[in-house]
Amino acid sequence: EAQVTQNPRYLITVTGKKLTVTCSQNMNHEYMSWYRQDPGLGLRQIYYSMNVEVTDKGDVPEGYKVSRKEKRNFPLILESPSPNQTSLYFCASSLDGGVAWDTRRDTQYFGPGTRLTVL
Amino acid sequence: AQSVTQLDSHVSVSEGTPVLLRCNYSSSYSPSLFWYVQHPNKGLQLLLKYTSAATLVKGINGFEAEFKKSETSFHLTKPSAHMSDAAEYFCVVSARSSASKIIFGSGTRLSIRP
Repeated sequence: EAQVTQNPRYLITVTGKKLTVTCSQNMNHEYMSWYRQDPGLGLRQIYYSMNVEVTDKGDVPEGYKVSRKEKRNFPLILESPSPNQTSLYFCASSLDGGVAWDTRRDTQYFGPGTRLTVL
Repeated sequence: AQSVTQLDSHVSVSEGTPVLLRCNYSSSYSPSLFWYVQHPNKGLQLLLKYTSAATLVKGINGFEAEFKKSETSFHLTKPSAHMSDAAEYFCVVSARSSASKIIFGSGTRLSIRP
């Protein structure tokens, strides 16, 4: 089954304790992205990756790191989490980022979400 | 630069009446426009997508949206609301350029009255 998976789904942690949220897709998609969702703000893009070893900042990258060593995986790393990073996080992937003019390629598929609480 | 504005944070309609969720966008490049739906405690599901092939786009569950370039709008409509339509709806713009950021609107919560 084609899907985007995230782990863990729920996480409660304390300030300053490094954590990683994993994201994996089995659709051979080139483009992957991380979002956080906060009430009244919709989804805001944290980082995105156009392909392996190619990552770029979204709108709210501060306090986060990502890596893209393999096509299927795009982990989100919080080196020193703080309470303002308490949020619902979504990973998404698409065939590409929409650069190509084949407009079937930029439809995103979302993971189920990871609810993170930082105390 | 791109931006998306959803004009209503909350819309409430009676079951069986029409739904209108409003979205305005700006984009320096020819955009792809999407509507996603998120049911309570669920992930996001694609409702429909505009890709410049046709200005009136039909999606799942009876929803449709019309791209109006002159008004920079992409409003979502449905002729007759159903209780199961109660959810959060997001308008999204993706500009087909070398910097493929994707911008979400702040969301519109749709409530359906019996």
